[in-house]
Amino acid sequence: GESVGLHLPTLSVQEGDNSIINCAYSNSASDYFIWYKQESGKGPQFIIDIRSNMDKRQGQRVTVLLNKTVKHLSLQIAATQPGDSAVYFCAEIDTGRRALTFGSGTRLQVQP
Amino acid sequence: DSGVTQTPKHLITATGQRVTLRCSPRSGDLSVYWYQQSLDQGLQFLIHYYNGEERAKGNILERFSAQQFPDLHSELNLSSLELGDSALYFCASSSRGGQGGETQYFGPGTRLLVL
Repeated sequence: GESVGLHLPTLSVQEGDNSIINCAYSNSASDYFIWYKQESGKGPQFIIDIRSNMDKRQGQRVTVLLNKTVKHLSLQIAATQPGDSAVYFCAEIDTGRRALTFGSGTRLQVQP
Repeated sequence: DSGVTQTPKHLITATGQRVTLRCSPRSGDLSVYWYQQSLDQGLQFLIHYYNGEERAKGNILERFSAQQFPDLHSELNLSSLELGDSALYFCASSSRGGQGGETQYFGPGTRLLVL
């Protein structure tokens, strides 16, 4: 499959472990954040979102944490599975531009 | 399957040529966004249309243009193509105008190769 970026940071974990993927954002005016997963050869897929009036949100096996003080976002994946292997992007909504600004992405590799 | 469709899946053309990429949003979605994803630039926002009108512009070159038709499908036109235009082009849709934050659903992309 095609690669999404040549120089992505890579996180390698064992199947069953928890994964934490981090993202720093730059626009303090952003008030909505999304994590996307992109598998090889596919478009980005929504995982979970969070608004700036929250600091934590949980989904199925995933948790997003938002620290507005240091402009930091993290995605926690519990009991990581081989199917979780993908590139993960954080994105922030710039309400002035009404569009997503994506982070550079992190490649998650799950070792069986 | 996100419900967003894009055609063609692959496109090979030569420098100087012009191509048109097509996107059909999810049923009921009024907004369409175009993104370019290249190896050295990551995902870059190009342009956003809402209900037929341009809403926001990102890093879109003057050689590129887009439009959204009354049936809400959108086309991205790329002209005077250069080698550096080779990339994946994604379309995304959302239900509203993007204000206040909302999820965008991405299509499978069109892979453009300029030779």
